Amino acid sequence: EPEVTQTPSHQVTQMGQEVILRCVPISNHLYFYWYRQILGQKVEFLVSFYNNEISEKSEIFDDQFSVERPDGSNFTLKIRSTKLEDSAMYFCASSGQGLGIQYFGAGTRLSVL
Amino acid sequence: GQNIDQPTEMTATEGAIVQINCTYQTSGFNGLFWYQQHAGEAPTFLSYNVLDGLEEKGRFSSFLSRSKGYSYLLLKELQMKDSASYLCAVREGDYKLSFGAGTTVTVRA
Repeated sequence: EPEVTQTPSHQVTQMGQEVILRCVPISNHLYFYWYRQILGQKVEFLVSFYNNEISEKSEIFDDQFSVERPDGSNFTLKIRSTKLEDSAMYFCASSGQGLGIQYFGAGTRLSVL
Repeated sequence: GQNIDQPTEMTATEGAIVQINCTYQTSGFNGLFWYQQHAGEAPTFLSYNVLDGLEEKGRFSSFLSRSKGYSYLLLKELQMKDSASYLCAVREGDYKLSFGAGTTVTVRA
């Protein structure tokens, strides 16, 4: 069964450093998303991406964050100058249609020290 | 803004039925989703409702009433592996899913 793949599964970084979280969406999907879940809290939407541009973003997704589809298979989330409060599980999701079901990857646990 | 409410915890016995309620107040509505999430894992899609009524999928069913801003997920013939968090999520516009805090279901032997 096709699945969304995320790497790494766990990323540890020092405060102020930049990190790149990587995702390989389901191969025929065209819509991509990033969500985050701070430990013990609800899943929060960050951004959606379609046709090589951001289609929607939340208030959380400020200038510290950026997304990119560098090639035909990868979708990345870059977090610049990480802060302690960026520590969370980051989930990538993809859907075949804009109003389709979003399928989630296993997540990357980001720990900012 | 959005407000999506669901109970924090529920406990049930193996083989029993559990109903998880979700109420929502959102600025728009373009479908309601239920996901299962085991600790430390990804949310896994369970069901989707966009019209009023009941959607049945094996042991899991989901109901929606848009006029009441209400949905429930029904889990039948509970198994130990059903112990997990169940997330109610509303799509308000074209893309973003807004999630509730999740209901942790514990299945006892």
